[in-house]
Amino acid sequence: DTAVSQTPKYLVTQMGNDKSIKCEQNLGHDTMYWYKQDSKKFLKIMFSYNNKELIINETVPNRFSPKSPDKAHLNLHINSLELGDSAVYFCASSHNSAPSDTEAFFGQGTRLTVV
Amino acid sequence: AQTVTQSQPEMSVQEAETVTLSCTYDTSESDYYLFWYKQPPSRQMILVIRQEAYKQQNATENRFSVNFQKAAKSFSLKISDSQLGDAAMYFCAYRSASDKIIFGKGTRLHILP
Repeated sequence: DTAVSQTPKYLVTQMGNDKSIKCEQNLGHDTMYWYKQDSKKFLKIMFSYNNKELIINETVPNRFSPKSPDKAHLNLHINSLELGDSAVYFCASSHNSAPSDTEAFFGQGTRLTVV
Repeated sequence: AQTVTQSQPEMSVQEAETVTLSCTYDTSESDYYLFWYKQPPSRQMILVIRQEAYKQQNATENRFSVNFQKAAKSFSLKISDSQLGDAAMYFCAYRSASDKIIFGKGTRLHILP
């Protein structure tokens, strides 16, 4: 039973296309995140949602738009893809400042390749 | 703004030996959480160990332990009896009260047979 699942696992697409990555968690967490891991393995937070509300929006191009239809889902839509968007994107979830489960549980990542 | 620094991009250790990965962080908050994550070649992010800032006792999970020095803002990970399966990228992470979880740049650990 996968706790945080994101699809697809791999995505190859051409420059200029629009694509979405879906994320779902079945842990009952109220906070979800998107991270980008670049070729140097640096993990950078992009967005954080708490109970469907955006609480963290780092300096990310507005071509990236997160959508949270409910607190179990946080999808990432990317418009007009560029070569520099190629990376691994991780979805994660956590409890909101609970004494336990404060760590982030990660999906398996989506490797996006823009050609 | 909080920052997390891992000053060792790569490290190597002989199998069965002990290795320590360093991590320092900067924050003005008093209540926060610290983590070490492991990322093997499979790319999966796996929690290794967690430390609450209000706890003075260092966290331990089997062969993994931390040296948490709150005043020095240091949070190192010690791996005892290193095994080949420990080879991975290790990320130190900080969680603030506002829920933002930020990561260091990682340390790639090689285990030499």
